[in-house]
Amino acid sequence: DAKTTQPTSMDCAEGRAANLPCNHSTISGNEYVYWYRQIHSQGPQYIIHGLKNNETNEMASLIITEDRKSSTLILPHATLRDTAVYYCIVRVAGVHEAGGTSYGKLTFGQGTILTVHP
Amino acid sequence: DSGVTQTPKHLITATGQRVTLRCSPRSGDLSVYWYQQSLDQGLQFLIQYYNGEERAKGNILERFSAQQFPDLHSELNLSSLELGDSALYFCASSVVSGGASGELFFGEGSRLTVL
Repeated sequence: DAKTTQPTSMDCAEGRAANLPCNHSTISGNEYVYWYRQIHSQGPQYIIHGLKNNETNEMASLIITEDRKSSTLILPHATLRDTAVYYCIVRVAGVHEAGGTSYGKLTFGQGTILTVHP
Repeated sequence: DSGVTQTPKHLITATGQRVTLRCSPRSGDLSVYWYQQSLDQGLQFLIQYYNGEERAKGNILERFSAQQFPDLHSELNLSSLELGDSALYFCASSVVSGGASGELFFGEGSRLTVL
């Protein structure tokens, strides 16, 4: 899986947009970009993922550059509860098998510690 | 609630002992993953099972072993415990379907303290 680079920490004011960057310059054509977050000592939580198009769901938006070498996770209106470690992960697509689709492991880096302050 | 259940939530034991951590994946999920998170190492992938078979292995020590049973629950066995094995152990499972996103659903973890 391609390696990712994220800033160690970021701050954001409550109610403002939080923009978390991620570099993945060695990404391959069959690799997706996933974002997870981990709120203090809880299990990591899936946020969003994408291949090459921008994606949006109820939690966040994912902007992937045209060359796919970097991406940005956007939390449009950050709240105090968004304070967490955010992980950008690149991972190959699933493998279709007799029982369904098998997905490989996620390799977590150090992530970005996002602190949302009042 | 992710739907992944891990037991026990907390466990305190002594060096040299053996413990078993249990994971029940989301209903219908065939893949189970185990991760270790210690203060100085971050989230480390240990091992993955798919429908009862080992699929991938990470930096899992020889003192550790895992298996996935026919009912798809999984157990992680840690033996000859050392102080450095103190960590949070997470289990995750993934959706299995042709159009699935491949997201992993994590349990709340088992906190192991070795004294």
